[in-house]
Amino acid sequence: AQSVTQPDIHITVSEGASLELRCNYSYGATPYLFWYVQSPGQGLQLLLKYFSGDTLVQGIKGFEAEFKRSQSSFNLRKPSVHWSDAAEYFCAVVPAPYSGAGSYQLTFGKGTKLSVIP
Amino acid sequence: EAGVTQFPSHSVIEKGQTVTLRCDPISGHDNLYWYRRVMGKEIKFLLHFVKESKQDESGMPNNRFLAERTGGTYSTLKVQPAELEDSGVYFCASSQESAAGPSYEQYFGPGTRLTVT
Repeated sequence: AQSVTQPDIHITVSEGASLELRCNYSYGATPYLFWYVQSPGQGLQLLLKYFSGDTLVQGIKGFEAEFKRSQSSFNLRKPSVHWSDAAEYFCAVVPAPYSGAGSYQLTFGKGTKLSVIP
Repeated sequence: EAGVTQFPSHSVIEKGQTVTLRCDPISGHDNLYWYRRVMGKEIKFLLHFVKESKQDESGMPNNRFLAERTGGTYSTLKVQPAELEDSGVYFCASSQESAAGPSYEQYFGPGTRLTVT
């Protein structure tokens, strides 16, 4: 079945440590790819997106993600985590962009909760 | 510029009652989306408005859910009658219209947490 998988439900890292959150998708074509973050009491904020071109994309708040077609992955990374990064992170895809009325809905993974130890 | 706003932030109702959720998109955004996250599950798409028209309602779970966007501005999502399985967080998002169609950058509101008891 077509899906978006975030294998880690909860990750805990120490402040200053590096971070990698995993995301895999199972769609035939290359979808549009997104990472969103939800801090407590806030809406989902777009961190970064990949449509085409350079497979390493930079986002806000010091985050980056790399698209790897061969692995159907779009992992999110940050070299040094800050306590304010504690939040829930969602990977999302648009499976078939510009393919009709139903092609604008985002399909989400289940999310990864990030805890940061001071 | 104000972001997407949703009202109420939290609603607790009894099974069988009616609840109406409201979403105000970012000003000028023609596209409005509703999503829902049931506890422990992923965020799922419900429907997509372009102005006042329903572009895609493939995610609406059943006919107890009615979404409207009169005048192409704010939208309401009514659940009538509510069931226990309707509990969850309802998100609204909006996006601009581009030359190629809706922008794929969707801006989300904080959500409405609905609890049906």
